[in-house]
Amino acid sequence: EIVLTQSPTTMAASPGEKVTITCRASTSVSHMYWYQQKSGASPKAWIYETSKLASGVPDRFSGSGSGTSYSFTISSMETEDAATYYCHQWSSIPLTFGSGTKLEIK
Amino acid sequence: EVQLMETGGGLVQPGKSLKLTCATSGFTFSIAWMSWVRQSPEKGLEWIARIKPKSINYATEYAESVKGRFTISRDDSKSSIYLQMNSVKEEDTATYYCRGAYDFDYWGQGVMVTVSS
Repeated sequence: EIVLTQSPTTMAASPGEKVTITCRASTSVSHMYWYQQKSGASPKAWIYETSKLASGVPDRFSGSGSGTSYSFTISSMETEDAATYYCHQWSSIPLTFGSGTKLEIK
Repeated sequence: EVQLMETGGGLVQPGKSLKLTCATSGFTFSIAWMSWVRQSPEKGLEWIARIKPKSINYATEYAESVKGRFTISRDDSKSSIYLQMNSVKEEDTATYYCRGAYDFDYWGQGVMVTVSS
């Protein structure tokens, strides 16, 4: 099973601040996927195939990485970005998720 | 508008059975790789089962935690998938999400399953 280790677990950012979340895979994966989940709602696809933004996602979001190391970045934090973000790999069964990064507004 | 609606959740006793349904609309269901993903405070997001489209023989895959107890199936004529849950355990308590993916990735709103005596 590919274990995805996300960091940090929680963080707070001020409006306008740059945010970076990392996700390390225990084995190389071909791509990483990122999801946003707000309280009481289901996860939403946010970034797919490592760096492509899902429909409707603002371009202040970006993703990068390869192999076992991936990152998720918000160039300038906005209030609406407060949520929990998860990384996810589809490369092998079982599909696995990171434990999530809770991002709060400062 | 894309919709995935899970139903069938509720309270079930350990060792009993429950069947979840996910009815979908608004996307090309027949080509979608459909999954069930559950979420609990203890385990976070956990993928549990997937069924591929007809073009890949409706192949199924399962997480070890549910293999032999849960069965995923689909009915393309109804744009729906199902999760038959047998011999449920307390650790199966979670919110269960239906998910459809291809060159899209859609999730339902989730349905709660509580396993308790």
